[in-house]
Amino acid sequence: DAKTTQPPSMDCAEGRAANLPCNHSTISGNEYVYWYRQIHSQGPQYIIHGLKNNETNEMASLIITEDRKSSTLILPHATLRDTAVYYCIVRETPYNQGGKLIFGQGTELSVKP
Amino acid sequence: DTEVTQTPKHLVMGMTNKKSLKCEQHMGHRAMYWYKQKAKKPPELMFVYSYEKLSINESVPSRFSPECPNSSLLNLHLHALQPEDSALYLCASSPLYLLQETQYFGPGTRLLVL
Repeated sequence: DAKTTQPPSMDCAEGRAANLPCNHSTISGNEYVYWYRQIHSQGPQYIIHGLKNNETNEMASLIITEDRKSSTLILPHATLRDTAVYYCIVRETPYNQGGKLIFGQGTELSVKP
Repeated sequence: DTEVTQTPKHLVMGMTNKKSLKCEQHMGHRAMYWYKQKAKKPPELMFVYSYEKLSINESVPSRFSPECPNSSLLNLHLHALQPEDSALYLCASSPLYLLQETQYFGPGTRLLVL
């Protein structure tokens, strides 16, 4: 079973920041938080990941709480092309076997003009 | 280049047919994955290959048969499928030398079983 819970849907106005929350209260110390998104009928696209520190890249920022029980993905200036299903995943990593990504239901983000 | 390619893009097959899905990556990744995604559902892991050896099989029915001929290529052989096997089949790859490595996904093959 997925180790994360996310709201099923969110709306965001174009040009505004989109803040997508994720709860992962049972995360263990060596598990990373990954975010992927899936635009309709395409393969999932990697966005960002983190362990305990906040992370930023050209696509988004990831804020992880100090207790690591929750995180927030921030898209700083959402565009219509950011409309997608966003998955927050806690990654199980059997060493040297390839990590299992267990997808939850995700959040369907609709960016509106 | 972070591209994973999959062929064909679409496939229609009957329940008695045998077909294969193909996945290719040229990033030097040593782990490759098959996922299945039904409509309006998240992707579900089917198989993982690590260093061309099958390392994870998520109790997938034997009518799905994976094959990894070399480190760049992953096949999924299909035989005697059922209509409920209609889905988007996604391939992914990852480097396999870092615990926090990223999986890169292909665009998928949309399969319809009649």
